[in-house]
Amino acid sequence: EVQLLESGGGLVQPGGSLRLSCAASGFTFSIYGIYWVRQAPGEGLEWVSAIGGPTPNTHYADSVKGRFTISRDNSKNTVYLQMNSLRADDTAVYYCAKRGPEFYLESWGQGTRVTVSS
Amino acid sequence: EIVMTQSPATLSVSPGDRATLSCRASQSVSSRLAWYQQKPGQSPRLLIYGASTRATAIPARFSGSGSGTEFTLTISSLQSEDFALYYCQHYNGWPLTFGGGTKVEIK
Repeated sequence: EVQLLESGGGLVQPGGSLRLSCAASGFTFSIYGIYWVRQAPGEGLEWVSAIGGPTPNTHYADSVKGRFTISRDNSKNTVYLQMNSLRADDTAVYYCAKRGPEFYLESWGQGTRVTVSS
Repeated sequence: EIVMTQSPATLSVSPGDRATLSCRASQSVSSRLAWYQQKPGQSPRLLIYGASTRATAIPARFSGSGSGTEFTLTISSLQSEDFALYYCQHYNGWPLTFGGGTKVEIK
């Protein structure tokens, strides 16, 4: 069974940093891309970032480009999202998701909440 | 960026009735379109990919159709557990984008 467990969320002041983790199990982690998607309170879904599997190319939404960095450690079956220069509009639940055979989001974690506030 | 537009924003349906949800892309996404269901307090769940292929364990009452810029998710006979939010998402290049969602509520 595919399992994705996010952690690292919390309350941070504007301008601060957080690192989110997504620990995966139940599949051959190294060959699958992983995405981050966020959902602001009461709002819809917004894709944030992606990292490939065999070739770890990275992609970012314009809203986070230059501030967020995605990475992966295949020895730990974990993907990270380093978030710097956080703003109030980064407040959201952040989900990680496993890519399917194409670029859809096949399995999702339960999410971790990030609140950016002074 | 491809803009995904869902309609209606809210759909009021009686249990047992059919629900038809629409998703439009601002430019062709071929068949690279997925649908997700999200219930309150839960993470999204993949329903449909490739515009019309049901994901694992998704009941047959869910069906998807369309290609290019116009897509439809049909729930043939609504069950109590189907009242939820539904999102479409294209994966025809970066950035991936989602529609704004359709809330299916009990009439």
